[in-house]
Amino acid sequence: GNSVTQMEGPVTLSEEAFLTINCTYTATGYPSLFWYVQYPGEGLQLLLKATKADDKGSNKGFEATYRKETTSFHLEKGSVQVSDSAVYFCALSDRPSGNTPLVFGKGTRLSVIA
Amino acid sequence: GAGVSQSPSNKVTEKGKDVELRCDPISGHTALYWYRQSLGQGLEFLIYFQGNSAPDKSGLPSDRFSAERTGGSVSTLTIQRTQQEDSAVYLCASSQPSEKETQYFGPGTRLLVL
Repeated sequence: GNSVTQMEGPVTLSEEAFLTINCTYTATGYPSLFWYVQYPGEGLQLLLKATKADDKGSNKGFEATYRKETTSFHLEKGSVQVSDSAVYFCALSDRPSGNTPLVFGKGTRLSVIA
Repeated sequence: GAGVSQSPSNKVTEKGKDVELRCDPISGHTALYWYRQSLGQGLEFLIYFQGNSAPDKSGLPSDRFSAERTGGSVSTLTIQRTQQEDSAVYLCASSQPSEKETQYFGPGTRLLVL
């Protein structure tokens, strides 16, 4: 079945450090890939997405590139801020042409210290 | 515009009691999803509605769990005879026909079964 594996946290970084959160997936077809973010006390928010191989999703300084050859969708940010402290979830949707439940990774907690 | 809303935001109940959780999706969103977020299991899919019908109930953990959706809008998730292992955050998400793979999440209902 479909699955998403992401690096376990917590990840603690100093402000302005470079961030990478690894995500790899297993899917039978050609999934769409997503990163969601959950800030403390809030619901899940879509951060970025990519719907086909080699697409790059980007938002708020975060980027992730859909790599079919390595089945990966790693999240990166060049310079993190304290306000980026949150839990990040990688997810896939395996039928982009129709409605389908998302399959999530277990989440990675990021703490950024000043 | 308004996002996905859920009520109550918190619910404390005694083991064996029934609970009802409500989700109000974004207006015009035809698809509605229920997920459960718990410490040990991460984010798990429960059930999906397209309009008022539920083509995928595969994630419901037992027959104590049921859900309905009326008028293509509001959905209610009912848990009968609650158990302590039902304690979790129950999340609702919706998506629109023109962007089926992108789901927008509500803030969740935090359920604690004592």
